[in-house]
Amino acid sequence: GENVEQHPSTLSVQEGDSAVIKCTYSDSASNYFPWYKQELGKRPQLIIDIRSNVGEKKDQRIAVTLNKTAKHFSLHITETQPEDSAVYFCAASIGTGNQFYFGTGTSLTVIP
Amino acid sequence: NAGVMQNPRHLVRRRGQEARLRCSPMKGHSHVYWYRQLPEEGLKFMVYLQKENIIDESGMPKERFSAEFPKEGPSILRIQQVVRGDSAAYFCASSLSTSDEQYFGPGTRLTVT
Repeated sequence: GENVEQHPSTLSVQEGDSAVIKCTYSDSASNYFPWYKQELGKRPQLIIDIRSNVGEKKDQRIAVTLNKTAKHFSLHITETQPEDSAVYFCAASIGTGNQFYFGTGTSLTVIP
Repeated sequence: NAGVMQNPRHLVRRRGQEARLRCSPMKGHSHVYWYRQLPEEGLKFMVYLQKENIIDESGMPKERFSAEFPKEGPSILRIQQVVRGDSAAYFCASSLSTSDEQYFGPGTRLTVT
């Protein structure tokens, strides 16, 4: 089955700096890659996703890149703010009606 | 449009008791997924259901765990004879039949004493 690895497990950045979280996957059939943000005690919230037919997607301060050949994808947060502090999870799926395989999460702390 | 609903939000059970967790998907969503999250870990898939059918239960332990999604009413994850190792947050997610995106409920935090 699919194996998703996520790095780093913890990340601290100064407010205003950028944060990058990286994930790799093993199954070349995976074609959908969502990113979730989870605040303490709350539900995972979908923040951005990318499908295998594109290499990059951007939504305001958040961007995701995908390298299908290398089987890795990354989350980029620019101009970080304290409210970006949370645990971020990447996931991979072979598409509609299939389970998500999650990474182990990155705890991001933005220092004011 | 209400999001995914789960209840109870917190559940305390003694070892050996039964736990019933409920999930109501978003309106119009016919696919339900259950995930378990152990403290400070990622989410692990348990089971995927459509109305009245279990599609994939490969992540669910064979014993003590069962799930259903009846024609009417919420999806239910049932854990019989709970043990301390069952203590975790259980999240359900729902999706449209035509969409990749899964939206998560607030979770049920199960504590087994």
